[in-house]
Amino acid sequence: DAGVIQSPRHEVTEMGQEVTLRCKPISGHNSLFWYRQTMMRGLELLIYFNNNVPIDDSGMPEDRFSAKMPNASFSTLKIQPSEPRDSAVYFCASSLGQLQETQYFGPGTRLLVL
Amino acid sequence: AQKVTQAQTEISVVEKEDVTLDCVYETRDTTYYLFWYKQPPSGELVFLIRRNSFDEQNEISGRYSWNFQKSTSSFNFTITASQVVDSAVYFCALRRFTSGGSYIPTFGRGTSLIVHP
Repeated sequence: DAGVIQSPRHEVTEMGQEVTLRCKPISGHNSLFWYRQTMMRGLELLIYFNNNVPIDDSGMPEDRFSAKMPNASFSTLKIQPSEPRDSAVYFCASSLGQLQETQYFGPGTRLLVL
Repeated sequence: AQKVTQAQTEISVVEKEDVTLDCVYETRDTTYYLFWYKQPPSGELVFLIRRNSFDEQNEISGRYSWNFQKSTSSFNFTITASQVVDSAVYFCALRRFTSGGSYIPTFGRGTSLIVHP
């Protein structure tokens, strides 16, 4: 079975540009999570969805970040405009439900903002 | 508030040595989940184990074993006869069990394990 799929795997962009990260959760999973990993802050949850509805976005750093889940098989995380401090690895994870606590992670998108 | 502490930032061992990665957590919840994840140099996070707070039985899976001690709020991970392929960063995590509300997990900062040949 395919795991969580993320694209792109690597992204290099210039400050001020819009960046869109994409995620396809495991089929049948109804919870989706976006994380950011940096050396300074470790692994942080940004936002999570249940049944395509955002449940908690308190981890989203600021208004430049937005996330959508238009359907059960696709989610995006957008940064507009991007800044160098957004450079990080962004992980998407999915789980069978909120109470099924095992989250399965995608390979991550390594973002570098110059 | 929840907190997960992985006091060992880096451990270096020689192949075939046994190694234990420590995880100490804090929570006010009486029911919760604990996890270990492995992040190899390739970067992805690989799920290793989930344990709920009701079940204090230790678990063994091949060379991996986990010791859950609720009395000391610890969930330690031991690798027996370590191998070079075990080199990775290992994360311990805690998550609420209760229904409703938010399920924000708390991750430790990770322990980097280096296994030398």
